[in-house]
Amino acid sequence: DIQMTQSPSTLSASVGDRVTITCRASQSISSWLAWYQQKPGKAPKLLIYKASSLESGVPSRFSGSGSGTEFTLTISSLQPDDFATYYCQQYNSYSPITFGGGTKVEIK
Amino acid sequence: QVQLVESGGGLVKPGGSLRLSCAASGFTFSDYYMSWIRQAPGKGLEWVSYISSSGSTIYYADSVKGRFTISRDNAKNSLYLQMNSLRAEDTAVYYCASSGSYYDRLLYFDYWGQGTLVTVSS
Repeated sequence: DIQMTQSPSTLSASVGDRVTITCRASQSISSWLAWYQQKPGKAPKLLIYKASSLESGVPSRFSGSGSGTEFTLTISSLQPDDFATYYCQQYNSYSPITFGGGTKVEIK
Repeated sequence: QVQLVESGGGLVKPGGSLRLSCAASGFTFSDYYMSWIRQAPGKGLEWVSYISSSGSTIYYADSVKGRFTISRDNAKNSLYLQMNSLRAEDTAVYYCASSGSYYDRLLYFDYWGQGTLVTVSS
């Protein structure tokens, strides 16, 4: 199974900060990585797919990069609506599909 | 607009069974892979199972293999999860989610339901 490791697990930041979250795969997954945002009590929302493709309707302050085993999600200027938990997900392997453990972005 | 609405969650005793349903609307259900993904209280996301658009390809996480059965009825635009031999560790919010196919490299989840809570406790 491909293990996905996110860091940090918690991040404290202020509005306007540039925020970077890292996701590492236990083996190469090419660019088959997605990022999701989840707010308390809500379903996850797709932000990025294929490592760097922005889902329709997602603000351009979100960007993704990386390939192989190391990936990043960057929020260029953190907005109040962005305080949430973020998950990466690999889909290189048809089974099992695996998620990272999550990164909670908190208000500093 | 796309809607996925789960139902069937509730409180069940260890060893019991439950059947979850997911009603889909707003898209051509029969064109999409469908998955169940769960989230234990205060924990991260765990993929449970997916089924291909035709129903011919099915995979399960090891944690539920042999106990859970995924199925779909394309005529009714519905997805199901039959859960047997339930354990305390199956307690979670269960989400249904749509995706493209693995072979098209589209196995990420673009639409999610609101989730249904399954609690396994005596």
